[in-house]
Amino acid sequence: GAVVSQHPSWVICKSGTSVKIECRSLDFQATTMFWYRQFPKQSLMLMATSNEGSKATYEQGVEKDKFLINHASLTLSTLTVTSAHPEDSSFYICSAYGESQPQHFGDGTRLSIL
Amino acid sequence: GESVGLHLPTLSVQEGDNSIINCAYSNSASDYFIWYKQESGKGPQFIIDIRSNMDKRQGQRVTVLLNKTVKHLSLQIAATQPGDSAVYFCAVSYNTDKLIFGTGTRLQVFP
Repeated sequence: GAVVSQHPSWVICKSGTSVKIECRSLDFQATTMFWYRQFPKQSLMLMATSNEGSKATYEQGVEKDKFLINHASLTLSTLTVTSAHPEDSSFYICSAYGESQPQHFGDGTRLSIL
Repeated sequence: GESVGLHLPTLSVQEGDNSIINCAYSNSASDYFIWYKQESGKGPQFIIDIRSNMDKRQGQRVTVLLNKTVKHLSLQIAATQPGDSAVYFCAVSYNTDKLIFGTGTRLQVFP
């Protein structure tokens, strides 16, 4: 149980384009989803907290207009990296949990901006 | 605030030996603690968790110990296997859904 699916697993695109990443809870309803960013050989840094039906809460230093988050249902949250540039290249990971902990994670999306 | 650190960036153990990975946290009010395992190119995988009202919890081949006095958390892996090779993160939260992750320890298992 508690499976979180993330799609796509990797994407390469040109600078200036927007990229959408999906995070789905497959076998439970996720009241809260989280988006993290991870640089090579570093830890996970929380970007934002997403609650179904409400606006996401962003961590300090994360541009909300750059990283658009939508949590339209209890099983789906999306992260859109708008006008992506090479410095946005990273490993993006989502997590979700339902009525109780722990958070379960997707397998991440490796984003490369050329 | 909360900061979480790990004592060693890399831990090398021989197959069959026990592994101990340590984690220190700063906020004495932290009340929930989790260990995750992350393999290369994948997301973190839940291993075991513990709440602040406990000081020990056991799973299959794993044990988490919590010492609130010194704000220290450890993960013990019994009879370490090659499949245990990965980066291990502790994560901590205080009265909130948000987790603060430690810097990670790479566990290397050699034959």
